[in-house]
Amino acid sequence: IAGITQAPTSQILAAGRRMTLRCTQDMRHNAMYWYRQDLGLGLRLIHYSNTAGTTGKGEVPDGYSVSRANTDDFPLTLASAVPSQTSVYFCASSVGQGAVDTQYFGPGTRLTVL
Amino acid sequence: GESVGLHLPTLSVQEGDNSIINCAYSNSASDYFIWYKQESGKGPQFIIDIRSNMDKRQGQRVTVLLNKTVKHLSLQIAATQPGDSAVYFCAENMDSGGSNYKLTFGKGTLLTVNP
Repeated sequence: IAGITQAPTSQILAAGRRMTLRCTQDMRHNAMYWYRQDLGLGLRLIHYSNTAGTTGKGEVPDGYSVSRANTDDFPLTLASAVPSQTSVYFCASSVGQGAVDTQYFGPGTRLTVL
Repeated sequence: GESVGLHLPTLSVQEGDNSIINCAYSNSASDYFIWYKQESGKGPQFIIDIRSNMDKRQGQRVTVLLNKTVKHLSLQIAATQPGDSAVYFCAENMDSGGSNYKLTFGKGTLLTVNP
């Protein structure tokens, strides 16, 4: 069982380009999340999905979109990348989105926008 | 502002010593707290959790203490080893409405273990 996988591991992207970060989990978790991690700011929630077919906005959703066509996959798209989106992106999943549901994280994607 | 914070951004200990990492939270309604360990270049890894109806929970070499009176959380690592060197985050799980819970993370404490 792989848990959560993310691709690519790292990417350098020109500003204005479109980019999709991939996330796949094999734990049959209902809830999935995307975070960005920046030095001094910790982990901030971008978007989340309670279950396949539903998504919601987190703390910093602007400039990002997500989709949840099935249980396993939760891609994050930057429609037109800007330098401020340079960050490390982590995908996470949990059984549900309840009071005691633990989130498990993927290995991350390091994105640099020039 | 941050509802979860850390008292010390860095902590350096000698191998074999016990480590204590502290965290303060401001939301008295938080139901669930988690400690994560993040090694360089990797994603956060679950270490231990505690529910708000408990004040102590022990794992393997780790203990989490919860003091709801002063809204304080701590992670104790016994006999710290070089492999424990990492950034440690506390996180609180709060109801953001409609029973949708969201994790709020502290900024992290860097633990360095000296051989």
